[in-house]
Amino acid sequence: GAVVSQHPSWVICKSGTSVKIECRSLDFQATTMFWYRQFPKQSLMLMATSNEGSKATYEQGVEKDKFLINHASLTLSTLTVTSAHPEDSSFYICSARATVSGANVLTFGAGSRLTVL
Amino acid sequence: AQSVTQPDIHITVSEGASLELRCNYSYGATPYLFWYVQSPGQGLQLLLKYFSGDTLVQGIKGFEAEFKRSQSSFNLRKPSVHWSDAAEYFCAVGARLNTGNQFYFGTGTSLTVIP
Repeated sequence: GAVVSQHPSWVICKSGTSVKIECRSLDFQATTMFWYRQFPKQSLMLMATSNEGSKATYEQGVEKDKFLINHASLTLSTLTVTSAHPEDSSFYICSARATVSGANVLTFGAGSRLTVL
Repeated sequence: AQSVTQPDIHITVSEGASLELRCNYSYGATPYLFWYVQSPGQGLQLLLKYFSGDTLVQGIKGFEAEFKRSQSSFNLRKPSVHWSDAAEYFCAVGARLNTGNQFYFGTGTSLTVIP
């Protein structure tokens, strides 16, 4: 149980275009999802918290107009990288919070590697 | 302040040898502790977790971890490493439910397994 599907797993786009990444909880409802960015050889950096039915909460230094997050249902959150530039190339990982024995457990998607040419 | 420290950036072990990855945390309350593994180009997979009770927890793929409150540690161990264990390992501390969405990750330990 508690599977998170992320799509696409790999995307290449031209500079200036927008890219949408989907994060779905397959067998549970996730009122809260998280979006992380990971640079090579580094840990995960939390970008934003996605809350179903309300605006996302962005971490300091993350441009909300650049990284649009929509959490329209209890099983789907999307991250749209708008007007992508080469410096946006990265590995983006989503996760959803499941409740196990009263505690938060994060289940992660497989990640999406974005390459901006 | 809450934090997670993984002192070893990179570890190399021989296949069949034992493994211990260190994790120290700083957290104001009783922590929920996790170990995740990330294979190259992949997302994170939960190896094991500690919530309460027995301080020695068993996980998948033959891994175990021991919670030592006095040392604020949650070290990951495996008695005999396989080549497929080569990956990045992240220790994490999680907040209790309804106190926010705090999840603190360590910087990771990269494991190389040599034949």
